[in-house]
Amino acid sequence: DAKTTQPNSMESNEEEPVHLPCNHSTISGTDYIHWYRQLPSQGPEYVIHGLTSNVNNRMASLAIAEDRKSSTLILHRATLRDAAVYYCIRADSWGKLQFGAGTQVVVTP
Amino acid sequence: ETGVTQSPTHLIKTRGQQVTLRCSSQSGHNTVSWYQQALGQGPQFIFQYYREEENGRGNFPPRFSGLQFPNYSSELNVNALELDDSALYLCASSSQGVAYEQYFGPGTRLTVT
Repeated sequence: DAKTTQPNSMESNEEEPVHLPCNHSTISGTDYIHWYRQLPSQGPEYVIHGLTSNVNNRMASLAIAEDRKSSTLILHRATLRDAAVYYCIRADSWGKLQFGAGTQVVVTP
Repeated sequence: ETGVTQSPTHLIKTRGQQVTLRCSSQSGHNTVSWYQQALGQGPQFIFQYYREEENGRGNFPPRFSGLQFPNYSSELNVNALELDDSALYLCASSSQGVAYEQYFGPGTRLTVT
């Protein structure tokens, strides 16, 4: 039971923003939201994580709803290298990551 | 700083055999987690090791076992291999706790025939 829900796929044009939604309606108060991405033939790569507040780093931004039942990963300017499967994950108190099926992001030039 | 490395890259085994996969964690990390990724699916958590002790386990049978060494490197052992064990096996190292990101290795592709 992955406990998060994401769309199967999303398509974006190069240099346009990408907003990836994730529902986690049964999240507990201590679970963090992590995002990882996986390019073909590679291991997953950390993108960003947060608990309650919105978070920014060099790769992306994470917007967490006030009730914490959903979040959105924002890629500000998609590039062809951002084409990957993006996983939204609830991480429990000792950091166990429960991956779901993820969202396949397609970036077109 | 060296990243997470795994060996071997690929492996072919016969049903019923045993296999050992190895993982070297990133410098400064004391926690190693192992995941199994079947083709076309997301990784599934097998177990986690922290300071040489198992620190949580997913829904995998006891024939999946592991070790963590004093230098925080780790092994995954699978006994009595089954065809369904064919998958990409990933290890990830991190500091302990939910607030820390995990760094994944490239994986070991196991094929059971």
